Amino acid sequence: QVQLQESGPGLVKPSETLSLTCTVSGGSISSYYWSWIRQSPGKGLEWVGYVFYTGSGFYNPSLKSRVTISVDTSKNQFSLRLNSVTAADTAFYYCARGTREGYNGDYFESWGRGALVTVSS
Amino acid sequence: EVVMTQSPATLSVSPGERATLSCRASQSVNNNLAWYQQKPGQAPRLLISGASTRATGIPPRFSGSGSGTEFTLTISSLQSEDFAVYYCQQYNDWPPYTFGQGTKLEIK
Repeated sequence: QVQLQESGPGLVKPSETLSLTCTVSGGSISSYYWSWIRQSPGKGLEWVGYVFYTGSGFYNPSLKSRVTISVDTSKNQFSLRLNSVTAADTAFYYCARGTREGYNGDYFESWGRGALVTVSS
Repeated sequence: EVVMTQSPATLSVSPGERATLSCRASQSVNNNLAWYQQKPGQAPRLLISGASTRATGIPPRFSGSGSGTEFTLTISSLQSEDFAVYYCQQYNDWPPYTFGQGTKLEIK
């Protein structure tokens, strides 16, 4: 059974870059779509974007100008970078594996436990 | 962007009773609709995909129905472990994938 684990700094200063890595174990990162999803404390879920194992990806248009998601197949990891952060980016950040059927999009069967990132000076 | 609206925001139900949660899409998402359960301090857990297909290990008291813009998650006989927040998610029209704002199922 695949497992995902987020890692990275829990505190980022305003205007700086948030960086998180998701390590995938129990399965290969190849042939799946890998997403980041965030949840502000006490709020709902917001999809940030995904990367395919080939490196191609899609981002939420609301965040597109600030987001980069990359993959390292040799390490079975994928990473999130979100620049120019503000307090509004404070959230739990989850990595998740997308399941895609046919030409439809992804639902999320496997999730990491989440990493809280606080934006504060 | 497809807006997902869940109702009610909070639902109070007694253990053993039936709970019915609703999710509405701002445009048709066909049957590309998933339901998740989230407990405090945990990641969401997939319950239903394809509007009505239970995920692996999900008990049969959970059932999903609907298509197009109107969807329902029914829990037939509530157990203590079912009290949580439930989210719907559409994956028909993206980016972005969008979630509803959640329904909190609480003990009456």
